[in-house]
Amino acid sequence: SQQGEEDPQALSIQEGENATMNCSYKTSINNLQWYRQNSGRGLVHLILIRSNEREKHSGRLRVTLDTSKKSSSLLITASRAADTASYFCATDATGANSKLTFGKGITLSVRP
Amino acid sequence: GAGVSQSPSNKVTEKGKDVELRCDPISGHTALYWYRQRLGQGLEFLIYFQGNSAPDKSGLPSDRFSAERTGESVSTLTIQRTQQEDSAVYLCASTRDRGLGGYTFGSGTRLTVV
Repeated sequence: SQQGEEDPQALSIQEGENATMNCSYKTSINNLQWYRQNSGRGLVHLILIRSNEREKHSGRLRVTLDTSKKSSSLLITASRAADTASYFCATDATGANSKLTFGKGITLSVRP
Repeated sequence: GAGVSQSPSNKVTEKGKDVELRCDPISGHTALYWYRQRLGQGLEFLIYFQGNSAPDKSGLPSDRFSAERTGESVSTLTIQRTQQEDSAVYLCASTRDRGLGGYTFGSGTRLTVV
């Protein structure tokens, strides 16, 4: 079953602009993670935010988490053409049988 | 090794044949996942190994799918009597501590069933 749902499904912006991607989920989580995927192969881990954290930064990335709304956002500032990729949120749910569950992803295109 | 290694990188097989996909996780990584990703889709959970605990097999789509992992070493995913619907990229990911860090993914095996 799909835990995280990202929106928008696709985003096209101009180089230099900021890109904001959102993720909503359904159950309680230990943490939420964002990944990038180029060319439909291996995913690269970008950032992890724990359930007791509200905001986290890593370089040009800023992630927020609102557990009351069960939502997260990923902001990429000053986007570059090289940021063009698919972005996925993944939730690590609580519970003995929890697993890391991915959304369907957002396709980001950054026009040079 | 430095990363998660998957082999083969690409596999073309005839419908009805069995295939075995291999994942070499990073040394010391106790948690290992297999996912399936169809073209243009998200990641579909298949199976999860955590140390020596019994694996979570709840994502395996049919009894044609099975996976093994001995301790914290190599894992193999076997698909018997392959069908065209099995065509996808199969991704493996591992982590040392699922609570602290993200997962490292392999480059995947692209399986094509003809």
